[in-house]
Amino acid sequence: GAGVSQSPRYKVTKRGQDVALRCDPISGHVSLYWYRQALGQGPEFLTYFNYEAQQDKSGLPNDRFSAERPEGSISTLTIQRTEQRDSAMYRCASSLEQLETQYFGPGTRLLVL
Amino acid sequence: ILNVEQSPQSLHVQEGDSTNFTCSFPSSNFYALHWYRWETAKSPEALFVMTLNGDEKKKGRISATLNTKEGYSYLYIKGSQPEDSATYLCALINQGGKLIFGQGTELSVKP
Repeated sequence: GAGVSQSPRYKVTKRGQDVALRCDPISGHVSLYWYRQALGQGPEFLTYFNYEAQQDKSGLPNDRFSAERPEGSISTLTIQRTEQRDSAMYRCASSLEQLETQYFGPGTRLLVL
Repeated sequence: ILNVEQSPQSLHVQEGDSTNFTCSFPSSNFYALHWYRWETAKSPEALFVMTLNGDEKKKGRISATLNTKEGYSYLYIKGSQPEDSATYLCALINQGGKLIFGQGTELSVKP
């Protein structure tokens, strides 16, 4: 595809359920980033990958959050035992190389009831 | 903890006005600064990547400058138009590759 895609676009889940959010970066982009964005706020860094290697996961709020990019392309952000405070927009971005311009996906709006 | 501060938080101008806003960041551990334009319900759109002290970049009516020694970047919009209404985000990249966003400046341009 021409841009970064994310799925699902919207996810409503009950507290305690696990969710998996998918990011499909621009083909050939080395770096992939995950962000969480609260309403009216700028993106908050969660984690990023170069190829399949997770470089920095210091932004993940706690151990219920994990991410993987096993083949250096598609990435999945998993939230286990969701809580209401996890409700937010989760955005993915990719860049051709690390530190270059990031191209953002449309985001997944997660609502935990 | 890296703090990226943007000011003002919001700005209301008339069509045709020129405007500018500021992104402040700690000058140590600097690698690059990104500016993004973000319309609500859309994804942030890249404007500029700035790396060198004294950098000036321009895209149409929008330009940006960078001072890494004192830790600030300015974004200028000349002759604002209603379609410029958006939130303008700056983001600092440190040596470790982490991107830290500011809270943004929300610009509203009235016709």
